[in-house]
Amino acid sequence: AQSVTQLGSHVSVSEGALVLLRCNYSSSVPPYLFWYVQYPNQGLQLLLKYTTGATLVKGINGFEAEFKKSETSFHLTKPSAHMSDAAEYFCAVSVGGYSTLTFGKGTMLLVSP
Amino acid sequence: DGGITQSPKYLFRKEGQNVTLSCEQNLNHDAMYWYRQDPGQGLRLIYYSQIVNDFQKGDIAEGYSVSREKKESFPLTVTSAQKNPTAFYLCASNPAVGGTEAFFGQGTRLTVV
Repeated sequence: AQSVTQLGSHVSVSEGALVLLRCNYSSSVPPYLFWYVQYPNQGLQLLLKYTTGATLVKGINGFEAEFKKSETSFHLTKPSAHMSDAAEYFCAVSVGGYSTLTFGKGTMLLVSP
Repeated sequence: DGGITQSPKYLFRKEGQNVTLSCEQNLNHDAMYWYRQDPGQGLRLIYYSQIVNDFQKGDIAEGYSVSREKKESFPLTVTSAQKNPTAFYLCASNPAVGGTEAFFGQGTRLTVV
């Protein structure tokens, strides 16, 4: 079975600073990896995903993530935080075929002016 | 516009009553999912269905029931056997092909008093 660990339930940054949200996964087979964002009382929106190929994946709103197999990681970054980035972020993993998504517990990103 | 519709947005029920949450999708997706979200717990899978008239238990199925009579619809019933039903419930769907992301509805916040 696969699992996801997100380090840090809360991350605080200043507007304009680098955003780094950490995600480590466990899977016995090559994984598919996802980052989602959730604003209060709303559903989840996909930011980006890794399936195969290029390990550096670019997503919406200036976010990107790098798949590192040797470190079993898929950390999310953004060079410069904006106030509108304040939200909760979830990392998720699935494996081949009809696999369900397994989510981490989420990281709340706080952005201060 | 294609998407997933959950209704109602907010739901209040008395303890001991069954309640049904609606989820409809017009994306022509084969698979549908129900997740429960509690603060600090991430998303936990309740039930999922990969084809009409078939569904599988997820990690926390006790106290819940579902049906999948139509491809477009996957209602969730929270029964009186669910010991702590107050939570945010999210419905999702995807084409049930490896590596595809799940698309989410806007959620239903259930409060049992």
